[in-house]
Amino acid sequence: AQSVTQPDIHITVSEGASLELRCNYSYGATPYLFWYVQSPGQGLQLLLKYFSGDTLVQGIKGFEAEFKRSQSSFNLRKPSVHWSDAAEYFCAVGDNFNKFYFGSGTKLNVKP
Amino acid sequence: DVKVTQSSRYLVKRTGEKVFLECVQDMDHENMFWYRQDPGLGLRLIYFSYDVKMKEKGDIPEGYSVSREKKERFSLILESASTNQTSMYLCASSPSSAAGELFFGEGSRLTVL
Repeated sequence: AQSVTQPDIHITVSEGASLELRCNYSYGATPYLFWYVQSPGQGLQLLLKYFSGDTLVQGIKGFEAEFKRSQSSFNLRKPSVHWSDAAEYFCAVGDNFNKFYFGSGTKLNVKP
Repeated sequence: DVKVTQSSRYLVKRTGEKVFLECVQDMDHENMFWYRQDPGLGLRLIYFSYDVKMKEKGDIPEGYSVSREKKERFSLILESASTNQTSMYLCASSPSSAAGELFFGEGSRLTVL
């Protein structure tokens, strides 16, 4: 069965520091992979997505993610975090039938 | 700008009441979804629809039903609300192309007393 694991529930980083949020998935075929961000009280906004091709994908707000098939991972990175990046981040896998499976989320706090 | 609109941001209902959550999208998307979001559990799929009048159960359909009479509108119905249905409900839509991304509404926070 498809599943997505985000092992870190909470992460705190200092403003200006680098960030990596982990995501591991279980899926039998080539996955469609997504990262979404949710600001407090809001819906989810797409940061980036991977369908095929280059395994390093660029997204909005300076985020990037790397697909590693051998590790079943799709980690999200940002070289320098801004206070406005404080939010909850969700990794998701989509299948060929337009169903999506979400991880439990990682809450990011940014210290001044 | 693409938009998914959920009619109510905040609702407070009593146990046993019938609750309707409405969702409208203006992107002509074929697929629409209702998710429930609870702390530590991420998003769990309640129901989804690939077309008008079509619906399929997600992972947690118990206690819920849905209606899709028009392409742009997808309603979630709690026939008899219970306290364990207190949650954030998120509606989303996507195009029919393989793994087209999801577009989300802002959510409806339901409290059942």
